Amino acid sequence: EVQLVESGGGLVDRGGSLKLSCAASGFTFSASAMGWVRQAPGKGLESVSAINAAGTTTFYADSVRGRFTISRDNDKNTLYLEMNTLKAEDAALYYCAKEGSSWSYGHWGLGTLVSVSS
Amino acid sequence: SYELTQPPSLSVSPGQTATISCSGDNLGNKYASWYQHRPGQSPVLVIYHDSRRPSGVPERFSGSNSGNTAILTISETQALDEADYYCQTWDSSSNYVFGTGTKVTVL
Repeated sequence: EVQLVESGGGLVDRGGSLKLSCAASGFTFSASAMGWVRQAPGKGLESVSAINAAGTTTFYADSVRGRFTISRDNDKNTLYLEMNTLKAEDAALYYCAKEGSSWSYGHWGLGTLVSVSS
Repeated sequence: SYELTQPPSLSVSPGQTATISCSGDNLGNKYASWYQHRPGQSPVLVIYHDSRRPSGVPERFSGSNSGNTAILTISETQALDEADYYCQTWDSSSNYVFGTGTKVTVL
């Protein structure tokens, strides 16, 4: 069974940093592209960042490019999202997701909440 | 950047058919997926590759994609289908793109 467990969320001051982790199990992590998707309060889903299976190709939404860094450790079956210079608008529930068929996200974690204090 | 537009809300009576649209430039030339997102839960993939259903998704859920519009159809709608629904595609410049979301109310 595919399991994705996010951690690392919390309350941080504006301008601060956080590093999210996503522990994966139940599938061949090193063969799967992964991504982070967030949902701000009262808003829709937003793709934040994605990374290919080897970790050699990354994508960032315009809203986070230059501030967030996605990475993965295929030996530890873990996906990361390092978030710097956090803004109020970065406050959201952050989901880890596993790419499935035809560029869909077939499995999602429960999410980790990031709050940014002003 | 690539954008997908959905109607904000939709109301449907139990047993009736709900039809949710998703519009994007030449969307029919891309693959469309759909997610069900209930409050307090993680999103669930209900349609991928335009019309394919993942294992465990009821046959009541179906999809199509042509021209500039993808469609999610929920037949014989039940109370448990009440949720937010998001379309999604992949674009070479924008990567994963989600639609604006549609709140489906069953009443």
